[in-house]
Amino acid sequence: NAGVTQTPKFRILKIGQSMTLQCTQDMNHNYMYWYRQDPGMGLKLIYYSVGAGITDKGEVPNGYNVSRSTTEDFPLRLELAAPSQTSVYFCASSLDSSGSTIYFGEGSWLTVV
Amino acid sequence: SQKIEQNSEALNIQEGKTATLTCNYTNYSPAYLQWYRQDPGRGPVFLLLIRENEKEKRKERLKVTFDTTLKQSLFHITASQPADSATYLCALDPFSGGYNKLIFGAGTRLAVHP
Repeated sequence: NAGVTQTPKFRILKIGQSMTLQCTQDMNHNYMYWYRQDPGMGLKLIYYSVGAGITDKGEVPNGYNVSRSTTEDFPLRLELAAPSQTSVYFCASSLDSSGSTIYFGEGSWLTVV
Repeated sequence: SQKIEQNSEALNIQEGKTATLTCNYTNYSPAYLQWYRQDPGRGPVFLLLIRENEKEKRKERLKVTFDTTLKQSLFHITASQPADSATYLCALDPFSGGYNKLIFGAGTRLAVHP
């Protein structure tokens, strides 16, 4: 059982470049999330989805976009990379809402130079 | 402002002792609170959930308390081992009954020395 799988693990981007962080889960979870984690800071929610075709903004959505065409996949797109987007990104999923355990991927380390 | 606070300083304890980590929050009335463990270079892993009507929850060597009056949760690891060394995160959902959009504290790093 793979759980939540993210790719790539590491990436260096130049300012202004675009890229997509891939995320897939094999637990048939309805809810999926993207968080970013900066040193010394708590995880910040970027976007979330409560099911295929439904997405909504979290606390820090600016500079990012998401889509949810299937239950399994929830890619995160950075359109014009900026140094402020240098961070560790975690994709996560949960079965449903309100207290359901959240399962995290292993993280994607992104550096924008 | 709304926030969750965990002790930013690392907690260093001797093997076999009880580690106690604190999570304080302001301006929330969460229905539950969760604790996660995060190892360096890895994603957080769920440990325990405690609901507002539960004062205490236990799982093996772990114990969590939840005081909604003090707006505080305490996380205890008894008979600590070097393998317990990690960063521990607390998290709550400020929109009780909503979409499980957890707000996380910055975490406290625990180091258990042999």
